[in-house]
Amino acid sequence: DSGVTQTPKHLITATGQRVTLRCSPRSGDLSVYWYQQSLDQGLQFLIQYYNGEERAKGNILERFSAQQFPDLHSELNLSSLELGDSALYFCASSVAYGGSGSNEKLFFGSGTQLSVL
Amino acid sequence: LAKITQPISMDSYEGQEVNITCSHNNIATNDYITWYQQFPSQGPRFIIQGYKTKVTNEVASLFIPADRKSSTLSLPRVSLSDTAVYYCLVGRNAGNMLTFGGGTRLMVKP
Repeated sequence: DSGVTQTPKHLITATGQRVTLRCSPRSGDLSVYWYQQSLDQGLQFLIQYYNGEERAKGNILERFSAQQFPDLHSELNLSSLELGDSALYFCASSVAYGGSGSNEKLFFGSGTQLSVL
Repeated sequence: LAKITQPISMDSYEGQEVNITCSHNNIATNDYITWYQQFPSQGPRFIIQGYKTKVTNEVASLFIPADRKSSTLSLPRVSLSDTAVYYCLVGRNAGNMLTFGGGTRLMVKP
């Protein structure tokens, strides 16, 4: 158990809908990361927050948004869902801010399997 | 910004030692080298991290030569349960993103 909690574990929805994925980081971790992994594909970096502030942003679609709340949990909102959005969405946390010289170690949750039908 | 190269796949047999080498020719002075393991449908799991020379923990060893342009993850006496994808991460990319490359798909056979 990594200490990172993601809910829900599974989500089945229809095209055009909107969903929210939730992540609770490990106790004491200030950074939260979101990754997308499609079937047999690599991990695509979406976004990172550190203590409520956006730290780094990947090729995240405009239909996707995220935030980190004062209690450090994070939510990833996916709207106007398309079939191609079906994937595993992972959240990870670390204590580090990240960047040059950072010995950050990421701890991943078990993921949310999103299926768009 | 280190460009990372690691083998796409490797095969091994139970009980053997497996060494996976990662090339990172332009590693920055401050960058650490971190390895993760991922099983299907699970999030990656941190294995080991190092800066130079050798690091060992209960799971693996990490060898880093003096020039730090490569690193080798060593898994002693692998078992079938070590079949997974192994990722080598070094620093961040141009967009300050912590990106995972394609990794090395290790298949352990009986």
